[in-house]
Amino acid sequence: GNSVTQMEGPVTLSEEAFLTINCTYTATGYPSLFWYVQYPGEGLQLLLKATKADDKGSNKGFEATYRKETTSFHLEKGSVQVSDSAVYFCALSAMDSSYKLIFGSGTRLLVRP
Amino acid sequence: DADVTQTPRNRITKTGKRIMLECSQTKGHDRMYWYRQDPGLGLRLIYYSFDVKDINKGEISDGYSVSRQAQAKFSLSLESAIPNQTALYFCATSDPDGHYGYTFGSGTRLTVV
Repeated sequence: GNSVTQMEGPVTLSEEAFLTINCTYTATGYPSLFWYVQYPGEGLQLLLKATKADDKGSNKGFEATYRKETTSFHLEKGSVQVSDSAVYFCALSAMDSSYKLIFGSGTRLLVRP
Repeated sequence: DADVTQTPRNRITKTGKRIMLECSQTKGHDRMYWYRQDPGLGLRLIYYSFDVKDINKGEISDGYSVSRQAQAKFSLSLESAIPNQTALYFCATSDPDGHYGYTFGSGTRLTVV
């Protein structure tokens, strides 16, 4: 079946450091890929998405590229801020699972001043 | 008003009690979902509904039931709450192929004592 694996956290960085959170997926066909962010005490918000191979999603300085050859969708940001501290979820949806979202386990990011 | 509203935000209940969590959305989507979040486990799907007459079990439906009262309303019930149902519960809605991502509520933090 379809699944998503993302790196375990927590990830602790200093402000202005470079961020990478790894995400790989298993799916038949061509899923859509998403990153969601959950700030403390809040629900999940869509951060970015990509719907086909080689697409790059971007938002708020975050980027992720849909790599079909490596089945990956790693999240990157060049310079993190304290306000980026949150839990990040990688997810996929695919036609063979009726487009239900399948989530990774989440990665907590803590950015220190 | 929020696109997806969950009530209550927090609830403490006793073992064996029946409890209902409510969700309403203003996105006009047919699809609605209930997820449960536990630390380190990401989000797991409890039930989902693709329209008012369509209800489906997710991966962890045991001990839960749902009711889709209208396109905009989808409630989750715990018939006889037990302590391992202590978790954060999220309702979400989406367009038919999830192409634009899901919209989540702010969550209900449920504690069963």
